[in-house]
Amino acid sequence: GENVEQHPSTLSVQEGDSAVIKCTYSDSASNYFPWYKQELGKRPQLIIDIRSNVGEKKDQRIAVTLNKTAKHFSLHITETQPEDSAVYFCAAGFGGGGFKTIFGAGTRLFVKA
Amino acid sequence: EAGVAQSPRYKIIEKRQSVAFWCNPISGHATLYWYQQILGQGPKLLIQFQNNGVVDDSQLPKDRFSAERLKGVDSTLKIQPAKLEDSAVYLCASSSPPRDRGQYEQYFGPGTRLTVT
Repeated sequence: GENVEQHPSTLSVQEGDSAVIKCTYSDSASNYFPWYKQELGKRPQLIIDIRSNVGEKKDQRIAVTLNKTAKHFSLHITETQPEDSAVYFCAAGFGGGGFKTIFGAGTRLFVKA
Repeated sequence: EAGVAQSPRYKIIEKRQSVAFWCNPISGHATLYWYQQILGQGPKLLIQFQNNGVVDDSQLPKDRFSAERLKGVDSTLKIQPAKLEDSAVYLCASSSPPRDRGQYEQYFGPGTRLTVT
């Protein structure tokens, strides 16, 4: 069945450094790749997403890249800050009216001040 | 706009008991999702509704879980009887119809934390 693998499971960086989280997906029909941030005890919230017809997208300190051929996509956070500490989930979505999203297992990011 | 509402926020029950969760999606959102999030894992889709019809329930343990969205708005998820392994946060999410801008973003509710003892 459909699967999304996410690495690493835990990532610790120094404040100001960059953080990279990588995901792979199995279903070539996937055409939408969102990233959600979940702070402790809170709900997941969308931080950035990318469609399959785009290779890269940036939003301030956050960027996402997509390699459709390799079925890889990555989240890049530059100039990390302590408030970036959270669990980040990648996901792969596909379908039309009945749109389906499969989530990765998550990456716990620690940004040390 | 008001967000996705869920209740209760917390529930503790003993195994073999029954429990029900309620979700009210964002107004106008046709698609509603129920996810199970076990501690340390990503959300796992249990069931997806498009209006009041089921789109996907392939991962719903149908021998004990049931869900409905009778009028295409609110939804309830029920577990009967509960097992220890059902302890998790149950997240409800909704999204707008495909034709709208931001069509694929899912808006999550605060979740219901279930503890089965």
